[in-house]
Parts: sequence; structure tokens; C-alpha cells
Amino acid sequence: DQQVKQNSPSLSVQEGRISILNCDYTNSMFDYFLWYKKYPAEGPTFLISISSIKDKNEDGRFTVFLNKSAKHLSLHIVPSQPGDSAVYFCAASDNSGGSNYKLTFGKGTLLTVNP
Amino acid sequence: NAGVTQTPKFRILKIGQSMTLQCTQDMNHNYMYWYRQDPGMGLKLIYYSVGAGITDKGEVPNGYNVSRSTTEDFPLRLELAAPSQTSVYFCASRKSTGLGNQPQHFGDGTRLSIL
Repeated sequence: DQQVKQNSPSLSVQEGRISILNCDYTNSMFDYFLWYKKYPAEGPTFLISISSIKDKNEDGRFTVFLNKSAKHLSLHIVPSQPGDSAVYFCAASDNSGGSNYKLTFGKGTLLTVNP
Repeated sequence: NAGVTQTPKFRILKIGQSMTLQCTQDMNHNYMYWYRQDPGMGLKLIYYSVGAGITDKGEVPNGYNVSRSTTEDFPLRLELAAPSQTSVYFCASRKSTGLGNQPQHFGDGTRLSIL
């Protein structure tokens, strides 16, 4: 049973436009959410995160929105750049009750930004 | 600033052989994790450790063993390699507790093929 779902395997956008990547989760105990970016032959790189006590977190061109009632989060990249082309993983963690900060990952979305 | 270092980067094994995947971090992180990523899938947790001398199973531990004799090192051992263990293996580490929500930081992975 997938607890973290990224239903779009791929997304293609034009340079300068907005990229919106979506993620849904089923476990209501998740209280910390992260986005990782992964280039081929490299490890995942932490991009941005959000705690369940917030509904928005912004870092430069990257903004993550959290809708707890819908169990949905999204990553907005504005403006998109060709260097943003990568696989983006959504991950979630239950940071209460001794879970030891284990992460549950979605399958990833391949973002392609066309010049 | 090395971060999380994994060796080797690539390896081909024959069925039934054994090997150890090395992982070391220089950030004095207490928490360390091993994940595997199969094609088109998200990362799945194999084993994790909350400190030297303490390890525990993740979601997919069968066929693997770990040890944690020092804070820096967290090797993953395959005793009897099977084709189902062909995958990319990632090691990650995280800061200690008491610092709020913190992301995990990943190495660049070991690509393992078992033939």
C-alpha cells in the first residue's frame, strides 16, 4: 500500500513558466514533508520541506504548499529553468512516537524544462 | 566537505557471492539509513541506525545485514547475492534529535548488478 503517491510520472514545461508537482499521502500521522531533487547517477538532494503546522514554505524559486485536510502537497517552481530538469521525489515522515525519522518516498516525477 | 560517501559506485556480482557496501559520513550524524531504489520506484528503507551499536530493520531487510560500530560508518552486507537485489543503493544520514525537523542527506549511491 503506497502511503505517498506521485501520480504524474513526468511533466514537461517551458523555460520561464511555472512547474507544479503534486503529491498525495494517506497516513494521517505524517507531520513532516520534504521534496528531493535527483539528477542521473547522483543521490537525492534535499530541496525544501514543510512541517504540518504550516501550509506554505518558500525558498527562492521554490514553494511548497500543504493541504492537510486533502492530504495533498505541491511543489511550485517559478520561473522554471532548464537546470531544474530532474526527478523530484516527495517524502514524508512521522516525527512523533519514536519513528526515528524514517522517510516514506513517492515514486518520483521526471520534470523536463524545455528552453 | 565530503558529507555522505559511498563506495564502490558500481559493482557486478555473481549469484551467491557476498559483498559489503560502504557508507561513511563526516557530519557527526547519529542517524543513518540504507535505501534501495528499483527502476521507476521510490526509495525503500532497508535498515537504519540511531547511533553506534544500535540498528533496526526497515521495510525491505531480507537478504541484508548491517552493523554500526562507529558514528561515522554504516556498512551494508549482502551475504548471498540474488538477482532480486539488483538495484541502486543509497545511504543517508540525519542530524541528532533535539534540533527540530531535519532532512536526511544522501550519498551518490552504489549501482549493483547481480548476474
